Amino acid sequence: EAQVTQNPRYLITVTGKKLTVTCSQNMNHEYMSWYRQDPGLGLRQIYYSMNVEVTDKGDVPEGYKVSRKEKRNFPLILESPSPNQTSLYFCASSLRDRAPYEQYFGPGTRLTVT
Amino acid sequence: AQSVTQPDIHITVSEGASLELRCNYSYGATPYLFWYVQSPGQGLQLLLKYFSGDTLVQGIKGFEAEFKRSQSSFNLRKPSVHWSDAAEYFCAVRNYGQNFVFGPGTRLSVLP
Repeated sequence: EAQVTQNPRYLITVTGKKLTVTCSQNMNHEYMSWYRQDPGLGLRQIYYSMNVEVTDKGDVPEGYKVSRKEKRNFPLILESPSPNQTSLYFCASSLRDRAPYEQYFGPGTRLTVT
Repeated sequence: AQSVTQPDIHITVSEGASLELRCNYSYGATPYLFWYVQSPGQGLQLLLKYFSGDTLVQGIKGFEAEFKRSQSSFNLRKPSVHWSDAAEYFCAVRNYGQNFVFGPGTRLSVLP
């Protein structure tokens, strides 16, 4: 089954404790992206990657890191989480070179930073 | 920079009534346009998309959307709403090589 998976689905952590949220897709998509969803703000893009070893900032990259060492994986790293990073996070993937580039989303990771 | 507006934060309709959710975008050229739906506690599911051709596109679950270049709009419609359509709906735009930009969403409530 074609899908995007994220782990963990729920995470409660404390300020400053480094964490990684994993994302993996099995559709051989070049493009992968991370979003955060906050009430009234919709989804805002954090980082995206057009291919292996190619990443770029989205609209809200501060406090986040990403890496793309393999085509299927795109982990999101919070080196020193803060309470304002409490949010619902989605990973997504799509083809890069074939319009219309619709994205397929993972199930989401709900992060709480205390 | 691209932007997407969804003027209605929350809409309530009765079951069986028609529905129209508004979406306007700001972009110099014709972008690729999408509508996604998010049911409570769920991820996002693609309802429909537009990138060329017929400006009226059909999607899943009986939804359709019409692209109007002159109005920079891509409104979502459904002729008869079902209780299971209660969810949050997001309009999104993208061009190759650009960020994928979402609107703030419209929450739909359905009265029995």
